Amino acid sequence: AQKVTQAQTEISVVEKEDVTLDCVYETRDTTYYLFWYKQPPSGELVFLIRRNSFDEQNEISGRYSWNFQKSTSSFNFTITASQVVDSAVYFCALSETLQTDSWGKLQFGAGTQVVVTP
Amino acid sequence: DAGVTQSPTHLIKTRGQQVTLRCSPISGHKSVSWYQQVLGQGPQFIFQYYEKEERGRGNFPDRFSARQFPNYSSELNVNALLLGDSALYLCASSLRGGTSGNYEQYFGPGTRLTVT
Repeated sequence: AQKVTQAQTEISVVEKEDVTLDCVYETRDTTYYLFWYKQPPSGELVFLIRRNSFDEQNEISGRYSWNFQKSTSSFNFTITASQVVDSAVYFCALSETLQTDSWGKLQFGAGTQVVVTP
Repeated sequence: DAGVTQSPTHLIKTRGQQVTLRCSPISGHKSVSWYQQVLGQGPQFIFQYYEKEERGRGNFPDRFSARQFPNYSSELNVNALLLGDSALYLCASSLRGGTSGNYEQYFGPGTRLTVT
């Protein structure tokens, strides 16, 4: 079963528009971690944020903000005033703590392609 | 400080051949994880190694194997290559092993493997 669902395959926006990426996850663990990674055309995954399941406080970092809602199992990501350099594939990932045979396993969603045009 | 490095950048192999991919973690990091990313999909976990021991394994056949060396670098080996093994292979390093949520994983640029 898919643990992390990113329903949006591609989002296209014009520069300076806001864009929100949805992430819905599924786990039976009470302690887990959620991540967002950015993958530009170069291919390297760039770490953006980690959130543990006990910290539901929203976070803002520059033009990036994250909304974690445990009640709906969602961890959404918003880019404010988008720029062309934000064009990339963005992945949401889940790490569960009760997995005894797969330490270190990040479970990724399928990713959302963000295209920002000037 | 240098990030995670991987070699080679690109590789073309024929079905049935064997391939070895290499990864050097960030200095001070003792754990290496390997992921396979097929075009258009998210990365899939293959292995985690910590202190030279396999600590985690994903749902991949025995044709996939890996090892970690005393300097914490790692190699991923794939035997009897299939067309479906064509993918970007990503290596990630973290300070320590164990549940990945405790220690952030930093990824290298990947090795693009094409099997013909």
